[in-house]
Amino acid sequence: AQSVDQPDAHVTLYEGASLELRCSYSYSAAPYLFWYVQYPGQSLQFLLKYITGDAVVKGTKGFEAEFRKSNSSFNLKKSPAHWSDSAKYFCASANYGNEKITFGAGTKLTIKP
Amino acid sequence: ETAVFQTPNYHVTQVGNEVSFNCKQTLGHDTMYWYKQDSKKLLKIMFSYNNKQLIVNETVPRRFSPQSSDKAHLNLRIKSVEPEDSAVYLCASSWTGGNSDYTFGSGTRLLVI
Repeated sequence: AQSVDQPDAHVTLYEGASLELRCSYSYSAAPYLFWYVQYPGQSLQFLLKYITGDAVVKGTKGFEAEFRKSNSSFNLKKSPAHWSDSAKYFCASANYGNEKITFGAGTKLTIKP
Repeated sequence: ETAVFQTPNYHVTQVGNEVSFNCKQTLGHDTMYWYKQDSKKLLKIMFSYNNKQLIVNETVPRRFSPQSSDKAHLNLRIKSVEPEDSAVYLCASSWTGGNSDYTFGSGTRLLVI
């Protein structure tokens, strides 16, 4: 079964710093990888996804992520970070023919002004 | 407006009661989902429907039952709620296929007292 690991439950940075949220997946077949964001009191919003092709994918709100097959990672990046980026970020994976996305436990990001 | 709509936003009930949550999507998607988000914000899939047909049914207690009248509607009924059912229930929709991102509704927060 596929699984997603987000090893950092909490990340705190100062505004203007570069952020990188870690995500690793475990599945033998080619995965589809996603990042979602949940702002306080709100539901989940789609940020970006990797399906195939270029390893670096760009999404909304200035975020990008890099797919690295060598170490099964799909880290989310943004520079510079803004205080409004404070939220919980979920990495997720799926695969061809599987009608469900498996979510990681999430990373709570706090950006200090 | 095209989106995923959930009602009610919030529901408080006593142990043993029956509750129903509604979800409608106006995006034209052919697949809908129910996820449970617990107090630690962990997301677990419960059910998935494709064109009114159940395609994913994770191990959930039998008191939970999904109901779909058409591909735009997916309701969730809980017979005889338990305290551990207190959570946020998120409805989502997408196109068929593991590479399709989800659009989430705003969620229904259930409190069982």
